[in-house]
Amino acid sequence: QKEVEQNSGPLSVPEGAIASLNCTYSDRGSQSFFWYRQYSGKSPELIMFIYSNGDKEDGRFTAQLNKASQYVSLLIRDSQPSDSATYLCAVNRWYTGNQFYFGTGTSLTVIP
Amino acid sequence: ETGVTQTPRHLVMGMTNKKSLKCEQHLGHNAMYWYKQSAKKPLELMFVYSLEERVENNSVPSRFSPECPNSSHLFLHLHTLQPEDSALYLCASSQEGGEAFFGQGTRLTVV
Repeated sequence: QKEVEQNSGPLSVPEGAIASLNCTYSDRGSQSFFWYRQYSGKSPELIMFIYSNGDKEDGRFTAQLNKASQYVSLLIRDSQPSDSATYLCAVNRWYTGNQFYFGTGTSLTVIP
Repeated sequence: ETGVTQTPRHLVMGMTNKKSLKCEQHLGHNAMYWYKQSAKKPLELMFVYSLEERVENNSVPSRFSPECPNSSHLFLHLHTLQPEDSALYLCASSQEGGEAFFGQGTRLTVV
């Protein structure tokens, strides 16, 4: 079983719509959860992190965490063409030595 | 200089060459990582150093040899690589429990 699983997509949404990205993880000991955005040929950059159950909002982005279901999601409101990228979900079990695990990423295209 | 810096940005090497990738972080973090990203594949964790000790070696072939002389520097020594080792090699650092910050990566081509 993979540590982190994401739908690879591609996911296409029209400009202005809400994009919803989902991620599940296998280890209940995971403690920190992250969403990264990666443009083609570039390195990943952090968008959001969340540690506690519930929602966390930052501008147009909302991260949602449900530890009971081992599920993390990212909502992007008012999607823009510049949001077109691959979105990577990551979990961290720092108590075992700072081990980050990444999903395969979901490719998002925002259509103007 | 801030963040995580990787050099070189691009590297072409023959299968018999020996080269090294360098990573330096200026964030005061206590953990550093090497990841490999091949075309259309997910990030593969290669090595983790926490407090300058290796805590993860993710079944990486011995032709890849990491070195972490201090908490700010991380190297990946390469020797007798194969063409399938061509990929983007990413260095990252983090503080315990916090997010990982990535360098710009080294695009490696083995010919």
